[in-house]
Amino acid sequence: NAGVMQNPRHLVRRRGQEARLRCSPMKGHSHVYWYRQLPEEGLKFMVYLQKENIIDESGMPKERFSAEFPKEGPSILRIQQVVRGDSAAYFCASSPPRLSHGETDTQYFGPGTRLTVL
Amino acid sequence: GIQVEQSPPDLILQEGANSTLRCNFSDSVNNLQWFHQNPWGQLINLFYIPSGTKQNGRLSATTVATERYSLLYISSSQTTDSGVYFCAASTGFQKLVFGTGTRLLVSP
Repeated sequence: NAGVMQNPRHLVRRRGQEARLRCSPMKGHSHVYWYRQLPEEGLKFMVYLQKENIIDESGMPKERFSAEFPKEGPSILRIQQVVRGDSAAYFCASSPPRLSHGETDTQYFGPGTRLTVL
Repeated sequence: GIQVEQSPPDLILQEGANSTLRCNFSDSVNNLQWFHQNPWGQLINLFYIPSGTKQNGRLSATTVATERYSLLYISSSQTTDSGVYFCAASTGFQKLVFGTGTRLLVSP
């Protein structure tokens, strides 16, 4: 059972370009979360999605950032017109359908995408 | 929203020593997880422990939900235990709020 997969693992963009980060959740998982880790800091929540729905985007910057989790395919975090302050590690996590409380609430994290903006 | 605080911020140990890391949280939680971020940046799940006690090898964790804290114990530490340990909590089965971490260095 493969874990959460993210690609690319490293991404370099120049200021003003677009960055697309992909996340494939664990098999059977229907909840996806994106977190951002700035250098030397902890992880901060960005967005929580289920298939075709954004459930909570309270941590997303209001401009340039968007996320989707389509019916088919991976979840995508898109950053338009990147700036140097977007340089960070972006982690995706997934969890299974919540049928009852307990271990199903565990979030499993991918290896992250390290974005560098030149 | 919920606040998560970890202590100590930094810890240096000799190989073989034991240690206790603490996580305080400000509200009742439905989810509490401990993670190890290794020097390569990977986040490794250690425990899902909103209450009670669990053990996995040299690591164990205890959460006292009524008093709003969790402890992570590392026994007989090894150099591979080095990295940052994060506690993260959630009140609503959704987003995790992370503490600022404890940076552990185990020297040979």
